[in-house]
Amino acid sequence: QSVLTQPPSVSGAPGQRVTISCTGSSSNIGADYDVHWYQQLPGTAPKLLIYGNSNRPSGVPDRFSGSKSGTSASLAITGLQAEDEADYYCQSYDSSLSGSVFGGGTKLTVL
Amino acid sequence: EVQLLESGGGLVQPGGSLRLSCAASGFTFSRYAMSWVRQAPGKGLEWVSTISGSGGSTYYADSVKGRFTISRDNSKNTLYLQMNSLRAEDTAIYYCTKLVVDGVLPNWFDPWGQGTLVTVSS
Repeated sequence: QSVLTQPPSVSGAPGQRVTISCTGSSSNIGADYDVHWYQQLPGTAPKLLIYGNSNRPSGVPDRFSGSKSGTSASLAITGLQAEDEADYYCQSYDSSLSGSVFGGGTKLTVL
Repeated sequence: EVQLLESGGGLVQPGGSLRLSCAASGFTFSRYAMSWVRQAPGKGLEWVSTISGSGGSTYYADSVKGRFTISRDNSKNTLYLQMNSLRAEDTAIYYCTKLVVDGVLPNWFDPWGQGTLVTVSS
């Protein structure tokens, strides 16, 4: 059971928009700790996708965006492409655990 | 270019020990905190441990506290994870990753190494 809760899977057709939620609690996201997102393509290491709730590292397309409100955060992907098919993870800090925490991951399928 | 290269994984019996290494290059190693994150087969990511740039502060997930020890040798630009009393549930790919901003936690991870597989089985 992960500290941060994500849907196990989402799907969308090419060109569509999908969102992935990440729900925490008062000891992590709700305590105003930032949320970060990672993309893991099949058979590869995770890659930073969004940091500080809504910031994109250089090289990440602006089709990817992040937001945070209250005890939850969301990753939105617009103009879905086949190459976006991957697992997506949210990450934050938990003051009760005194450590970093991850969501359980969401598998994105491009139909 | 920042590069992280893990080594030391393999097959070990339950109760055994293993030491992982992560060779870093492309940045001033001693300035940044480093972490280990693991991923069990077919499962999600789990933060394992973090160490400050100086090595003076360490942090562990409850699941490994008392069994794993993180350390670093800044003269060799190398991060280590000593794993003792290994259990079947420690079977995972172990990733070495660099923390981004000054300080330790909270923080985020970028980049990640390619990972090294640890299998605990008799």
